[in-house]
Amino acid sequence: QVQMAQSGSEVKEPGSSVKVSCKATGGTFSSYAFSWVRQAPGQGLEWVGGIIPMVGKPNYGRKFQDRVTITADESTTTVYMDLRSLRAEDTAVYYCARAGKLWFGELLGKWFDPWGQGTLVTVSS
Amino acid sequence: QSALTQPASVSGSPGQSITISCTGTSSDVGGYNHVSWYQQQPGKVPKVIIYDVSSRPSGLSSRFSGSKSGDTASLTISGLQAEDEADYYCSSYTSSNTWVFGGGTKLTVL
Repeated sequence: QVQMAQSGSEVKEPGSSVKVSCKATGGTFSSYAFSWVRQAPGQGLEWVGGIIPMVGKPNYGRKFQDRVTITADESTTTVYMDLRSLRAEDTAVYYCARAGKLWFGELLGKWFDPWGQGTLVTVSS
Repeated sequence: QSALTQPASVSGSPGQSITISCTGTSSDVGGYNHVSWYQQQPGKVPKVIIYDVSSRPSGLSSRFSGSKSGDTASLTISGLQAEDEADYYCSSYTSSNTWVFGGGTKLTVL
């Protein structure tokens, strides 16, 4: 049973960067797909991007592709999200979630489960 | 990728049934049977309640059901209970190998 534990809350100044981590335990890390989803205060869910560690090439939401980098470290079974050029509108809870499993070249289970506990990123001067 | 369209709010009385719609395009909802639904209680992490349009996770109440017709998916909750009051989000896999969410629907149990 996969479980995800995220890093703690961050407070950042506008224009800076933040790197959030998500350590997965249980299951076969390399073949899982992991996604990052964010939720601004009082707002809905928004897909930021994702990665399959075995493949290594991330996919990003169009809104974020110029500012985000998602990586995975197979040695520590940890997924990272690095968001640059932060602005106030990036203030949100960032969740990591498993988003399927690669099986003989096909991604199975295209839904988000389980989720990490969320990491609050506050962008403020 | 534009967000999927959900009603902002729905309401119903205990025991009634409600349906939440989720409208996309042929590039997401209409093109794939990979629509999922999430329930989010206040201050909690979202929880999957329906995946692959109409499948329920093990142990989830059969009061929750999903369906799809064309570019619109639907979540139906029957026998409404007070504990069902929450925000509900749909999501779909897309032709760009990405995911997109709906804007969310607040369910009020009267």
